[in-house]
Amino acid sequence: GIQVEQSPPDLILQEGANSTLRCNFSDSVNNLQWFHQNPWGQLINLFYIPSGTKQNGRLSATTVATERYSLLYISSSQTTDSGVYFCAVDPGGSNYKLTFGKGTLLTVNP
Amino acid sequence: GAVVSQHPSWVICKSGTSVKIECRSLDFQATTMFWYRQFPKQSLMLMATSNEGSKATYEQGVEKDKFLINHASLTLSTLTVTSAHPEDSSFYICSAGGVSPGGGSAFFGQGTRLTVV
Repeated sequence: GIQVEQSPPDLILQEGANSTLRCNFSDSVNNLQWFHQNPWGQLINLFYIPSGTKQNGRLSATTVATERYSLLYISSSQTTDSGVYFCAVDPGGSNYKLTFGKGTLLTVNP
Repeated sequence: GAVVSQHPSWVICKSGTSVKIECRSLDFQATTMFWYRQFPKQSLMLMATSNEGSKATYEQGVEKDKFLINHASLTLSTLTVTSAHPEDSSFYICSAGGVSPGGGSAFFGQGTRLTVV
C-alpha cells in the first residue's frame, strides 16, 4: 500500500516562531488532507489539498503532486497550535478512505 | 463543513462485555463511513469500511467477529466491540465523506476512548 512519511516527528517552538511540516507519499493520490489532533483527540480538518496552494489565516499548505510531497506552514505560532499534525492521503477513487502518516508532535512554548 | 458526531466520548467497561459506539453524519448522507483505531502516541489505522445496506469491509488483521459494524441508514454506523478485553482499550474514531470548499473531504467524529478493565 501507499507509504506516508512525515517530518520532523517532533518539533518544539517558542511562541511567535514559524515552522514547516513535511509529508512525503509514495504514490499518486486523489486526496490529501492535513489535520490537527487536539489534546482531547479530536481531528480538526485543516486543508483538503491534493494539489496546489491554500491559505487559511496563519496556516498555509502546498502540495506538489508530481513530486509527491506536501508542506504545511504555520506562521507566528501560538500555544494553542500545540498538538499532533497528521497528513493523510487516499490513493484510490473514494476520496475518503485515508492512510495516515505518523504525525508531527508540535509543542509551542510561551 | 460536514459534521460527524460520535457517541459516547469515553466508556469504561468490564472484560467480557460488549460496547457499542455510534457514528452519525448530522447534516449529510453518507453511504460509506470508516472506522479507525489509534493507540497512544501512534497514528490512526483504518479498521474497516462501513457500507450502508451491506456488509462492512475489514482491513487485514482486523477480526470481523470481534468488531461488528452495522450501517443501517445513510446517517448512522455503529461499531460494537464484542467480548472486550484490556487489549481492546484504545481510541476509536469514525469518519465520513462530505463536501468542503474546494472539494470532498473526510470529516471525523470526536472519537471514543474505550477502557476495558
